[in-house]
Amino acid sequence: DTAVSQTPKYLVTQMGNDKSIKCEQNLGHDTMYWYKQDSKKFLKIMFSYNNKELIINETVPNRFSPKSPDKAHLNLHINSLELGDSAVYFCASSQETGIIGEKLFFGSGTQLSVL
Amino acid sequence: DQQVKQNSPSLSVQEGRISILNCDYTNSMFDYFLWYKKYPAEGPTFLISISSIKDKNEDGRFTVFLNKSAKHLSLHIVPSQPGDSAVYFCAASGRGGADGLTFGKGTHLIIQP
Repeated sequence: DTAVSQTPKYLVTQMGNDKSIKCEQNLGHDTMYWYKQDSKKFLKIMFSYNNKELIINETVPNRFSPKSPDKAHLNLHINSLELGDSAVYFCASSQETGIIGEKLFFGSGTQLSVL
Repeated sequence: DQQVKQNSPSLSVQEGRISILNCDYTNSMFDYFLWYKKYPAEGPTFLISISSIKDKNEDGRFTVFLNKSAKHLSLHIVPSQPGDSAVYFCAASGRGGADGLTFGKGTHLIIQP
């Protein structure tokens, strides 16, 4: 049983399209995140949600919209995809936020390629 | 602005020897440090962590050392095993953890037989 699962694993699409990446965690965690690993290999936080409420919204284009239907799911919708959106997107979850050093549990990543 | 730096993109170590991975940070507000391990096509997995009130934390073959005055931490793996070959990310979090984790670029550790 995968603790944090995200789909699809690979996503190849054309510029201008709209796409979604889904994430689900079965760990009972309250907080979920989206991280982006760009071509320079940095893992950068994009969003975090705690109990379906947005906690962190880093400086990402508003073409990126996270949606959390319940605390076990955090989906990422991307409108009008651009070449620079090509990256690996990781979903993660943790037990609680506001606590220093909470361990994150990551999904296996979605490699997005925009052509 | 790289707040967490791993200056060695890769490191090659012979099996059985000690692997030492280094990490430097610039933000003095960081209070907790973590190491994650990542295999290809998988997400990072938590390995070991250390609070800023400590200077050493040990878990089996893995030990993390923290030098707050130098803003430097290191991960020691001894003895190194083939299964340790992976990318290792250093990460840090600030007070309250509200900013999530700030990651370094990672060091690719290769254990040679």
